[in-house]
Amino acid sequence: EIVMTQSPATLSVSPGERAILSCRASQSVSSKLAWYQQKPGQAPRLLIYGASTRATGIPARFSGSGSGTEFTLTINSLQSEDFAVYHCQQYNNWPVTFGQGTKVEIK
Amino acid sequence: EVQLLESGGGLVQPGGSLRLSCAASGFTFSSYVMNWVRQAPGKGLERVSGIIGSGGSTYYADSVKGRFTISRDNSKNTLWLQMNSLRADDTAIYYCAKFSATESTTDTFDIWGQGTTVTVSS
Repeated sequence: EIVMTQSPATLSVSPGERAILSCRASQSVSSKLAWYQQKPGQAPRLLIYGASTRATGIPARFSGSGSGTEFTLTINSLQSEDFAVYHCQQYNNWPVTFGQGTKVEIK
Repeated sequence: EVQLLESGGGLVQPGGSLRLSCAASGFTFSSYVMNWVRQAPGKGLERVSGIIGSGGSTYYADSVKGRFTISRDNSKNTLWLQMNSLRADDTAIYYCAKFSATESTTDTFDIWGQGTTVTVSS
């Protein structure tokens, strides 16, 4: 199965700044990469699919890029509600697999 | 409103059993692959099981194969996960989650339940 590796494990960012999160696949997943946001005590929420398409209702400050094995989630001008854990997931190969998550915390 | 509501979690001794349920509403339940995804304390997400719309094909992660059984009743819009021979490393929040598109074997998860907690401990 494809192993997804996220970095860093924790990212400390000040409100209003930009956060850049990385996700690497052990083999190519084309553009079939999704990002989820998970706040404490809540279920994950789909943010990005197809590596760069925002899901319904997701603000434009969230953007995704990449293809193949290297992917990036960028959050511009971080808001208080953006401090959370972010998970990547590949769905190009069966079975679907997730990264271990990146926690974005307030600096 | 599209909604998934899990129940059935709790504290169980090693070797014991639990049955999780997921009640779905707001979409055509029978058209979608439904899944159970778990999150152990401080860990990432793991899809442990999935079942196609008709119920005719299922998926299990190696970590649960032979111990867990997924099933569904489309007339009741309900998904289940029967968990037997539970171990300490099965301790996790279990989420019911829907694949985004119909007829998918691999996909994103667009709708999640709130989760139900399973604790395996003596």
